[in-house]
Amino acid sequence: GEDVEQSLFLSVREGDSSVINCTYTDSSSTYLYWYKQEPGAGLQLLTYIFSNMDMKQDQRLTVLLNKKDKHLSLRIADTQTGDSAIYFCADIYNQGGKLIFGQGTELSVKP
Amino acid sequence: GAVVSQHPSWVICKSGTSVKIECRSLDFQATTMFWYRQFPKQSLMLMATSNEGSKATYEQGVEKDKFLINHASLTLSTLTVTSAHPEDSSFYICSAPRDLGETQYFGPGTRLLVL
Repeated sequence: GEDVEQSLFLSVREGDSSVINCTYTDSSSTYLYWYKQEPGAGLQLLTYIFSNMDMKQDQRLTVLLNKKDKHLSLRIADTQTGDSAIYFCADIYNQGGKLIFGQGTELSVKP
Repeated sequence: GAVVSQHPSWVICKSGTSVKIECRSLDFQATTMFWYRQFPKQSLMLMATSNEGSKATYEQGVEKDKFLINHASLTLSTLTVTSAHPEDSSFYICSAPRDLGETQYFGPGTRLLVL
């Protein structure tokens, strides 16, 4: 079946850039998503990218998509302690609206 | 602000009781909603797709008689955990697609603890 993979942990210093990586297997993906989950909370949609785009920028967030390698990344510029959370990438499966999630990357921002 | 709500946010119940969780889309209609389950430190696993006006579609391995789903209206889906047991303790999250489906919004989640 379809699969989405992420590294589990990332630690950065406040003010640095964070790059969270994700790989997926579905070659027919139309949209790919990044969600943020803070402890005990639901998921917050951060951004998404359409498959015919290579890059999308939204304030401190930059999403890069390499469709050939099926690789997606999320860059957070000037990372703040409030960015500490778990970040999930997700692939929309089979046009049906179902999302397949990666394992989540726990981002720890140290002051 | 939140576009999908869930109620309750927390529930503690005794083993053997049934628990109903509501998911509402607040300012849009959703013919489809999704129910996920998340164990601590793990990712979200899709349980079922809730379809307004028809039966829910369950993922492989999910017991449809245990997790009853009813899509009562275009803004409300309910998940009932029947005869709950401690192993059903988890974080249950719903989502609803919006704007032709390319954006999907999640509820804040319901934490279930079965004693």
